[in-house]
Amino acid sequence: GAVVSQHPSWVICKSGTSVKIECRSLDFQATTMFWYRQFPKQSLMLMATSNEGSKATYEQGVEKDKFLINHASLTLSTLTVTSAHPEDSSFYICSARDAGTGYGYTFGSGTRLTVV
Amino acid sequence: KQEVTQIPAALSVPEGENLVLNCSFTDSAIYNLQWFRQDPGKGLTSLLLIQSSQREQTSGRLNASLDKSSGRSTLYIAASQPGDSATYLCAVEETSGSRLTFGEGTQLTVNP
Repeated sequence: GAVVSQHPSWVICKSGTSVKIECRSLDFQATTMFWYRQFPKQSLMLMATSNEGSKATYEQGVEKDKFLINHASLTLSTLTVTSAHPEDSSFYICSARDAGTGYGYTFGSGTRLTVV
Repeated sequence: KQEVTQIPAALSVPEGENLVLNCSFTDSAIYNLQWFRQDPGKGLTSLLLIQSSQREQTSGRLNASLDKSSGRSTLYIAASQPGDSATYLCAVEETSGSRLTFGEGTQLTVNP
């Protein structure tokens, strides 16, 4: 089945630094990937839609200059949290779908970001 | 705007019990509905996908039904086990390839 790999699974960084999270579709091509954020005890909040070869579409209230998304190939999307602050600490998850199979969305294993 | 609601928010049952998780959505014009499981600190695992033209899907001890006209879906878990303890999320996809809209989830605890 479709597999989405997300890396790293956890990261601790200092306030003011940038962190890059990778999301790869391992056995299929994905023209679109989605990035979500999840706070403790809450459901997933869509941050942005990543489009291969074009600009990402951000949800209302999500700072595009803080959360940089690059979808340079059909199998890789990256989310860079720039100038991270403690309030950016959260669980970030990506997802994609193998349009060729008709299956639903597959999610990565998530990245726990802690900014200290 | 599509809204998805899950009831109950939390459920605790003894091992072996059959249980039903409920999901409702406000706009019945959906493409498909998907049920996921999330373990603490982990990503989402897809359990069942029901396309808009389908009424139900089954996988092992899990059965999901869809009543599009009334905006409801249920996830039935038979003979629950402690390993079923997790948060269960339902999500609707309104058009092919569009975003998923999630419910808040049901946190299930199955006690040995």
